[in-house]
Amino acid sequence: KAGVTQTPRYLIKTRGQQVTLSCSPISGHRSVSWYQQTPGQGLQFLFEYFSETQRNKGNFPGRFSGRQFSNSRSEMNVSTLELGDSALYLCASSSGTGGSAFFGQGTRLTVV
Amino acid sequence: GESVGLHLPTLSVQEGDNSIINCAYSNSASDYFIWYKQESGKGPQFIIDIRSNMDKRQGQRVTVLLNKTVKHLSLQIAATQPGDSAVYFCAENPANAGGTSYGKLTFGQGTILTVHP
Repeated sequence: KAGVTQTPRYLIKTRGQQVTLSCSPISGHRSVSWYQQTPGQGLQFLFEYFSETQRNKGNFPGRFSGRQFSNSRSEMNVSTLELGDSALYLCASSSGTGGSAFFGQGTRLTVV
Repeated sequence: GESVGLHLPTLSVQEGDNSIINCAYSNSASDYFIWYKQESGKGPQFIIDIRSNMDKRQGQRVTVLLNKTVKHLSLQIAATQPGDSAVYFCAENPANAGGTSYGKLTFGQGTILTVHP
C-alpha cells in the first residue's frame, strides 16, 4: 500500500503571497488531518477533513483553509503569508472512524 | 527577534540498553494514544498505539504502558539501537459520543533519544 504523499516537499514564498499544499492519503482512508510543526510550538493541529467535510478545526486564523475532494485527496491553503508561517506542514491519513493516523513526509514552507 | 524553541527532554543511552520515554497527557477524556518516532527531515512514523481500556500493549521491541490514574504514558524500547535515535512524541485523541474527534490528535512536546554505539 502506498503511504501518505505530500507535495511539494519544499517551498519558498514571499510575505503576502498565498500557497497551496497537497496531500494524498492512504488508499481507503477518508480522513485527512493537517498539522503545523515549528521549533517554538511543536506539532499543532490545524484542521481535519472527513468525507469532504471539515470535521474538526484547531486554533489558527482564517488565513489557513483547506478542502477535501471526493477521492479523499486534500489541499491546504494559506493566504497572505507571514514570516511566522514558516514551518513543516504535515498531513495525516486515517480511516476517520478510530484507527491509527499515518503521516506524510511533510512540506517545508519558508516565508521570506 | 529570535523565536525560543521548545526545550525538549533528552535521553541518552548506550546501544543494547533498554530505553523508557515518558509522557504526561492532559485530557482525562482521551481514549486513544499513539507513539510516533520522528527522524530529522521526515514526518512522524507510527510506532504503537493503545486504547484506554488497556494498560499495556506490546509490539516488536516496544511496549507502551498506560496509567490513567495519573494520566501517564510510557514507551519502552528494548535493546535500543543507533537507528532508534530520533524525537519521540506521544499523541492523545479525545473521545466524544459522536466519534467525530477521531481525526484530531494533541501532541506532547517530544523527547530526543540519542543512542551511542
